[in-house]
Amino acid sequence: QKEVEQNSGPLSVPEGAIASLNCTYSDRGSQSFFWYRQYSGKSPELIMFIYSNGDKEDGRFTAQLNKASQYVSLLIRDSQPSDSATYLCAVESSGGYNKLIFGAGTRLAVHP
Amino acid sequence: NAGVTQTPKFQVLKTGQSMTLQCAQDMNHNSMYWYRQDPGMGLRLIYYSASEGTTDKGEVPNGYNVSRLNKREFSLRLESAAPSQTSVYFCASSDSFGGGAEAFFGQGTRLTVV
Repeated sequence: QKEVEQNSGPLSVPEGAIASLNCTYSDRGSQSFFWYRQYSGKSPELIMFIYSNGDKEDGRFTAQLNKASQYVSLLIRDSQPSDSATYLCAVESSGGYNKLIFGAGTRLAVHP
Repeated sequence: NAGVTQTPKFQVLKTGQSMTLQCAQDMNHNSMYWYRQDPGMGLRLIYYSASEGTTDKGEVPNGYNVSRLNKREFSLRLESAAPSQTSVYFCASSDSFGGGAEAFFGQGTRLTVV
């Protein structure tokens, strides 16, 4: 079992809709959780990080963390075609200091 | 502000050849990473260095070696390249995640082994 699991998609949503991206992780000791966005042919870039249970909002993005269920999600409100990319969930593994493990990513397509 | 710089950007190797991928960061980060990315597989951790002087295996270390040359530089070596090592390789660096840091990535090295 991979440490970090994501649905590979593609997830297709119409412009203006809410896109919901999900991630589960196996390491109960993980404390830090990240969402990265990667455009085709480019490097990943950080969108949000979350450490505490509950919701964290930043503009159109909301990260949600439930440590009891080992579940992290990212909501994108008012989705735009420019949001079309692969979204990577990353978890700081308790198996090593600053050890960062990524999921396989979910490809999001926002169509006009 | 260069951030994380990887060289080369592209490389074609023959099976059995060796090569070293170079990575340097100018952000004074303690931790550095090497990932490979294959279609549908996301980023898989090869090796990482939590701090200068330490290196640890990640998820897929077989066939690779690393050297943390100093705080700025972290190299990845393929001793005898195999077609299965055809991939895009990313170097990254970060400060402590517990302090709210993020990982910054280089532009990637596209490696083809024929």
